[in-house]
Amino acid sequence: DVKVTQSSRYLVKRTGEKVFLECVQDMDHENMFWYRQDPGLGLRLIYFSYDVKMKEKGDIPEGYSVSREKKERFSLILESASTNQTSMYLCASKTQGEDGKNIQYFGAGTRLSVL
Amino acid sequence: DAKTTQPTSMDCAEGRAANLPCNHSTISGNEYVYWYRQIHSQGPQYIIHGLKNNETNEMASLIITEDRKSSTLILPHATLRDTAVYYCIVRTSNTGKLIFGQGTTLQVKP
Repeated sequence: DVKVTQSSRYLVKRTGEKVFLECVQDMDHENMFWYRQDPGLGLRLIYFSYDVKMKEKGDIPEGYSVSREKKERFSLILESASTNQTSMYLCASKTQGEDGKNIQYFGAGTRLSVL
Repeated sequence: DAKTTQPTSMDCAEGRAANLPCNHSTISGNEYVYWYRQIHSQGPQYIIHGLKNNETNEMASLIITEDRKSSTLILPHATLRDTAVYYCIVRTSNTGKLIFGQGTTLQVKP
């Protein structure tokens, strides 16, 4: 089974702190994604990556950056956390190509609270 | 990108079939229909996908109408553990981005 592991289930940080959310997948997938999920707004894509050292902005990249130094690991960085970044963060991975094989596998999520 | 429409919520009795509808009238010919679900406080879980033909796997069946403008996810024998939000998604661009709408909250009752 595909496993996508997020380093923390719950995090509490203070405004202005630098926050790292880590995600690791064990299936050698090329593509990895970071979403946030908020009540009433559904899942929104923050950033994604096609391959090592490659990244693309999603729909709401402001206030975030990412790092993909190794294929299995995709990190989301909040340079200076703010209260409006309190949310559930979800990481996903999928293989590249093959029409129809757009199956994303998600981690359990990290619930971040910024105080 | 094709948009999907799902009922906000549905109830189903335990042991009965749960039929979850989805409308995607603007779907284009090369777009697939995917179903995911999200159990409370967990990440979304892939269920099934299809293009034109009906599909079945160990979790569910997917029925797609001939004109492909709508589909139905069928959980043949719903259990309490199937209580979740179910998302019908049509594949967007080649980047692989999935757009999750509001989904259908399925409540399976004893």
